[in-house]
Amino acid sequence: AQSVAQPEDQVNVAEGNPLTVKCTYSVSGNPYLFWYVQYPNRGLQFLLKYITGDNLVKGSYGFEAEFNKSQTSFHLKKPSALVSDSALYFCAVRDMKGDSNYQLIWGAGTKLIIKP
Amino acid sequence: NAGVTQTPKFRILKIGQSMTLQCTQDMNHNYMYWYRQDPGMGLKLIYYSVGAGITDKGEVPNGYNVSRSTTEDFPLRLELAAPSQTSVYFCASSYDGRQGSPLHFGNGTRLTVT
Repeated sequence: AQSVAQPEDQVNVAEGNPLTVKCTYSVSGNPYLFWYVQYPNRGLQFLLKYITGDNLVKGSYGFEAEFNKSQTSFHLKKPSALVSDSALYFCAVRDMKGDSNYQLIWGAGTKLIIKP
Repeated sequence: NAGVTQTPKFRILKIGQSMTLQCTQDMNHNYMYWYRQDPGMGLKLIYYSVGAGITDKGEVPNGYNVSRSTTEDFPLRLELAAPSQTSVYFCASSYDGRQGSPLHFGNGTRLTVT
């Protein structure tokens, strides 16, 4: 079955330290992978995506993600965390089933808390 | 640009009541979606549309209905509200779902059914 897993419900990082939010996936074929961020009482905002090409993808707000095909992972990273990065982060993968009409399969979300 | 606009922001319904959640987008996107978000559960797709006049069921369509008479509008109808429909509802749109175009989300409608 196609799925996305975010193994950590919450990640705590000190401001200025590097951060990683983990995502693993299980789909057939070549995956389209996405990261979105949700700030309190707001809708989700697109951060970045991987479709093909360079395994390191750069996105908004200084975030980047590394696609690892052998480990079926797409971890979100940032070299130096800011308090304003505190939010809920969602990983998603495009459903490759023929009848899905390319809908996204979503992870459960990871709450990122950056402490001053 | 307004992007995706949802109304209302909050609503409390009694069991058995009905309501329509409104969604409109001004980006001329073909694809539109309705999701519900429950704590710790991520997003669940209720219905989606690939263009005016075309709608299809998502993962959790029971208890909901949609229509898409124009490119801009994609209302979600709740008939006979139940406590299980207490959730935060998000409307989203994208230019092209097939090519992985990013989704643009509204700010959500928080619905409580008591």
